[in-house]
Amino acid sequence: GAVVSQHPSRVICKSGTSVKIECRSLDFQATTMFWYRQFPKQSLMLMATSNEGSKATYEQGVEKDKFLINHASLTLSTLTVTSAHPEDSSFYICSAPPGGALSAEAFFGQGTRLTVV
Amino acid sequence: GENVEQHPSTLSVQEGDSAVIKCTYSDSASNYFPWYKQELGKRPQLIIDIRSNVGEKKDQRIAVTLNKTAKHFSLHITETQPEDSAVYFCAAVLDFGNEKLTFGTGTRLTIIP
Repeated sequence: GAVVSQHPSRVICKSGTSVKIECRSLDFQATTMFWYRQFPKQSLMLMATSNEGSKATYEQGVEKDKFLINHASLTLSTLTVTSAHPEDSSFYICSAPPGGALSAEAFFGQGTRLTVV
Repeated sequence: GENVEQHPSTLSVQEGDSAVIKCTYSDSASNYFPWYKQELGKRPQLIIDIRSNVGEKKDQRIAVTLNKTAKHFSLHITETQPEDSAVYFCAAVLDFGNEKLTFGTGTRLTIIP
């Protein structure tokens, strides 16, 4: 199947600093990628849709100035958590659909465990 | 937007017995329903999926049923094994081909040896 690679897998940062998370589609091109956030013992919640060459679409309640998304190429989307605070500590995970008429399977990156101290 | 409810939140079954997890969705336009298994700290793994033009799909010990009229779908695991213990999420997709997932709240399944 298609491979989506996400880095880093774990990051600890100080409050007030920024953290960048990368999501790459390794063997296919992804015009769209999705970013989810998962708090402990909770479900995955869609944060934003990353669109190659255009602005990301954010879900209601997600601050676009805090969670910066860049999708500059067909294989790379980045999520930058700016001025991180402890409440931003969470599991962030991206997904990308390889597309095609026969499959709607979403392929996930490995996820990034962010801890803000 | 779409809203997906999932029950139960926790489920314990004896090894060898069956487990059933149920989900309901709100938007009748949703047309694709995947089920994911997630182990702690790992990415979700697709275990089975169903499209809205199909009522039932089976893959070995796992099956999914869909009732479009009632807007609910269920996951059935038979002959459960300890390695089935995990958190399971259902999801709904509003537009097949645009894999924007709305997840259910999750079910922690524990298989008792």
